[in-house]
Amino acid sequence: EDQVTQSPEALRLQEGESSSLNCSYTVSGLRGLFWYRQDPGKGPEFLFTLYSAGEEKEKERLKATLTKKESFLHITAPKPEDSATYLCAVQGVETSGSRLTFGEGTQLTVNP
Amino acid sequence: DVKVTQSSRYLVKRTGEKVFLECVQDMDHENMFWYRQDPGLGLRLIYFSYDVKMKEKGDIPEGYSVSREKKERFSLILESASTNQTSMYLCASITGQGGFKPQHFGDGTRLSIL
Repeated sequence: EDQVTQSPEALRLQEGESSSLNCSYTVSGLRGLFWYRQDPGKGPEFLFTLYSAGEEKEKERLKATLTKKESFLHITAPKPEDSATYLCAVQGVETSGSRLTFGEGTQLTVNP
Repeated sequence: DVKVTQSSRYLVKRTGEKVFLECVQDMDHENMFWYRQDPGLGLRLIYFSYDVKMKEKGDIPEGYSVSREKKERFSLILESASTNQTSMYLCASITGQGGFKPQHFGDGTRLSIL
């Protein structure tokens, strides 16, 4: 059974204070790992897909990295508009259809 | 851009009612999903469908059923609503054709069962 654990549950940062969110996963064989951003009252919005250990993807102040056991979402010099819940999800090679297993998310608050 | 539309943003129903949640996508996607999202539990898969009239149970199907009569529309049915089904319900879709693509989500239906 695929499992995803995200930490911390909640994170408060000052504007400009860089930090990282963690996503640890257990999967029989990783087909891919996704990062999503979710604003209050909205559905998750896709950010990145990572496929293999060592891969990195960047978008504005966000950079996602992947190892064989975990992924990090690095936030550099965050702004208040980066405040959201960040979700990590995995799909294993033995998973039927396009099913994903999600973590519980990290709620990020960036104070001005 | 992919558009996944859920028919209601907020819904209040009574215990024992039959409740229908509707989801429509405009990108001709083969696969569609229903999740519920609860604090501390994350997103949990209720049912998914990989083609018209095809469905598979997810991790928490009890108390729910689904209908997919047309490719663009996927309905979640609460046969007899109970208070423990109060939750945020999210619909998602993805193409079944080649490659490895992200799921696209609607904005959710916040359902309260009184």
